Amino acid sequence: GAGVSQSPSNKVTEKGKDVELRCDPISGHTALYWYRQSLGQGLEFLIYFQGNSAPDKSGLPSDRFSAERTGGSVSTLTIQRTQQEDSAVYLCASSLGGQDFLAAFFGQGTRLTVV
Amino acid sequence: QKEVEQNSGPLSVPEGAIASLNCTYSDRGSQSFFWYRQYSGKSPELIMSIYSNGDKEDGRFTAQLNKASQYVSLLIRDSQPSDSATYLCAVNNQAGTALIFGKGTTLSVSS
Repeated sequence: GAGVSQSPSNKVTEKGKDVELRCDPISGHTALYWYRQSLGQGLEFLIYFQGNSAPDKSGLPSDRFSAERTGGSVSTLTIQRTQQEDSAVYLCASSLGGQDFLAAFFGQGTRLTVV
Repeated sequence: QKEVEQNSGPLSVPEGAIASLNCTYSDRGSQSFFWYRQYSGKSPELIMSIYSNGDKEDGRFTAQLNKASQYVSLLIRDSQPSDSATYLCAVNNQAGTALIFGKGTTLSVSS
């Protein structure tokens, strides 16, 4: 597609439930990132995938969070046993690589609300 | 932990003026610097990248980098009301795998 696509756009879930968020990066982009943005907070890095290399998971806030990227393309972020503090906008981004490999293009985000 | 600091604003400028947005970072070893624009309720949009000391111009935007002072800025010439948004400064993390973002400066351009 023309841009990074995320689904769903909005998700309301009950505390304790598991959720899956999906990201389809720009075609040809080898790097994929997940960030989250809470109200009044900056963008927080979660995880980074680059090709077939081991992902950088250093930003995941707890073991309830996990992500995978299948076939070097689509990625899924899973949050188990959701808590109210997980409520945020989850943003996926991708980049082409090369000198500007950190120049990431963001999707529209998934707004997660845990009630 | 690396930090990226920005004045939260709001920065208010009249239409046609130059808006100057500033950012400081804590890690002297940082190599990659970016400016993003984020409209309310929307996702961040990449405006510019800069890697070397000095100025980089793209249309009405100029990014300035001074590694010795650990300072990066964004100048917007001939500001328009459509430039009203939050501007995010971002710097590479220590592993070089992702960006650390500042909390952003809100710019308001009045007509």
